Amino acid sequence: EAAVTQSPRNKVAVTGGKVTLSCNQTNNHNNMYWYRQDTGHGLRLIHYSYGAGSTEKGDIPDGYKASRPSQENFSLILELATPSQTSVYFCASGDAGDSAETLYFGSGTRLTVL
Amino acid sequence: GQQVQQSPPASLVLQEGENAELQCTYSTTLNSMQWFYQRPGGRLVSLLYSPSWAEQRGGRLTSSAASNESRSSLHISSSQITDSGTYLCAMDQNYNQGKLIFGQGTKLSIKP
Repeated sequence: EAAVTQSPRNKVAVTGGKVTLSCNQTNNHNNMYWYRQDTGHGLRLIHYSYGAGSTEKGDIPDGYKASRPSQENFSLILELATPSQTSVYFCASGDAGDSAETLYFGSGTRLTVL
Repeated sequence: GQQVQQSPPASLVLQEGENAELQCTYSTTLNSMQWFYQRPGGRLVSLLYSPSWAEQRGGRLTSSAASNESRSSLHISSSQITDSGTYLCAMDQNYNQGKLIFGQGTKLSIKP
């Protein structure tokens, strides 16, 4: 089965600090995605990438940057963390085939910004 | 913007063996929709993917859609305790891409 690994699993940060969330996939998928999950909102797309060197803005990109240095790795960067960014963050990888793109999700990173 | 609304809106409690029906309504015409399953604190797992509003089946799961009503349903037959968890629907923003708009999720609890 496809493997997507996120680190860290849990993170506590201070307001104004820099936070980097990492994601690694071993599926050789071209596409990778960062979502956040909050109660009452489901998951919302922050940034995504179509391959190494590519990053695109999702639906809620403000306050976040993304980096895709290689096929396998996709990072989400909070340069100046704020309490409103307290959430659970999920990374996913996928590859649109002839008919459908199945997404494979990581286990999530729970971020608390104090 | 585009929205996805799930019902029951928050939670559903059933007895083991009962059938479950979850629904999603969308604010716009869709290309395709997906259903995901999430254990508490866990990752999401894709259950069914329906391009072009086709009915999909997988074991005890069936997804169906009414494209003219922008609505889709997930039917779980003969529910089991291990079916407990959160179910989320999602629609593609672009056909065959992973840019999804999710519903808020329905927490399903199956009691013995």
